Amino acid sequence: GAGVSQSPSNKVTEKGKDVELRCDPISGHTALYWYRQSLGQGLEFLIYFQGNSAPDKSGLPSDRFSAERTGGSVSTLTIQRTQQEDSAVYLCASRRTNEQFFGPGTRLTVL
Amino acid sequence: DQQVKQNSPSLSVQEGRISILNCDYTNSMFDYFLWYKKYPAEGPTFLISISSIKDKNEDGRFTVFLNKSAKHLSLHIVPSQPGDSAVYFCAARKQGGSEKLVFGKGMKLTVNP
Repeated sequence: GAGVSQSPSNKVTEKGKDVELRCDPISGHTALYWYRQSLGQGLEFLIYFQGNSAPDKSGLPSDRFSAERTGGSVSTLTIQRTQQEDSAVYLCASRRTNEQFFGPGTRLTVL
Repeated sequence: DQQVKQNSPSLSVQEGRISILNCDYTNSMFDYFLWYKKYPAEGPTFLISISSIKDKNEDGRFTVFLNKSAKHLSLHIVPSQPGDSAVYFCAARKQGGSEKLVFGKGMKLTVNP
């Protein structure tokens, strides 16, 4: 497909478990972002990847959150020892020039 | 500390009328502004943007106005259509670095037939 894809679309997990979310950016887009949207809030920046540069991790809320981008394409966001406050929609976006294009998101529910 | 504010959570307009969505920002370093539209269960879709060197950008029914001195921007949709009903997010970016977007909380627009 031509757009950003994310999987899974929904994830329900128990508190304390680890989860892994996947993002496939648009082909040729060198910049990749992760955001999350909690209930009633705007999108909150988490992490940014650009080519082979060191990622900007300034938005990660705690050290339980980490992300990788392999081969300059696919990215995975990992949340360890999930907490109920991690429940949100996690959105991935990629960018080539000025505009960021978003995937459909993964809705994470931590019970 | 919310740097991008959309103070009205919702707006309801009649089909064919103008919709005006407002956004205020506090960081004078922002140099690029974007509007995204979001339908339920979908990711935000880019709508229109404006650089800080301009005060107006128009694309079909959508026009964005930027007032730098007031740190205010607005999105005008005319004529409004029922398919425009969605949540609209204002976002801002600083040039350089990660160019991450800072988003407002969104505003739900309902266009009534």
